[in-house]
Amino acid sequence: AQTVTQSQPEMSVQEAETVTLSCTYDTSESDYYLFWYKQPPSRQMILVIRQEAYKQQNATENRFSVNFQKAAKSFSLKISDSQLGDAAMYFCAYSPPTNYGGSQGNLIFGKGTKLSVKP
Amino acid sequence: NAGVTQTPKFQVLKTGQSMTLQCAQDMNHNSMYWYRQDPGMGLRLIYYSASEGTTDKGEVPNGYNVSRLNKREFSLRLESAAPSQTSVYFCASSARGVLAGEVDTQYFGPGTRLTVL
Repeated sequence: AQTVTQSQPEMSVQEAETVTLSCTYDTSESDYYLFWYKQPPSRQMILVIRQEAYKQQNATENRFSVNFQKAAKSFSLKISDSQLGDAAMYFCAYSPPTNYGGSQGNLIFGKGTKLSVKP
Repeated sequence: NAGVTQTPKFQVLKTGQSMTLQCAQDMNHNSMYWYRQDPGMGLRLIYYSASEGTTDKGEVPNGYNVSRLNKREFSLRLESAAPSQTSVYFCASSARGVLAGEVDTQYFGPGTRLTVL
């Protein structure tokens, strides 16, 4: 079964600096999707960034970028120029291909990393 | 365009009571999902619906039932609530059915905080 591991329960960063959140996953599939979701205190789950496994180029969304290492099954999130509004829980999630037997199309989440941003 | 909406936002039940959590999306999405989030955990899938008229079990379906009422609405029912079902419940939707050959992004509702005493 696929698993997602976030080894950093909590992280802290100074405002305007850069922080990297780690995520590793386990799968035997060659095609899949990876996501980072942000959950602020409001509890709303907000998509931050997404990566297709078949794409070698790392995804980027403004100040957010990923380092996708397929062979190492690693998918880290880098937040540049951190802002106070970036403080939240960050969840890494894996999605199997749609023809996967069992729970098709659902997201498998890590336990999250709580990010604090210091002014 | 409200996206995914959930009602109620908060609910307190006594053990053995029943209730239905409502979810609706206005994005014309095919697939809808119910997750639960417990402290210190990521979200876990309870049930999902690939398309109108179909539902399937996820990782933690015991104690729950679902109904895909139409393309917009997907409800989650607790027939006899237990303290172990105290959690935050999230509904999500995505554009493509899981049989369409491609996974796309899931969009989440604001969640329902349920406490069972």
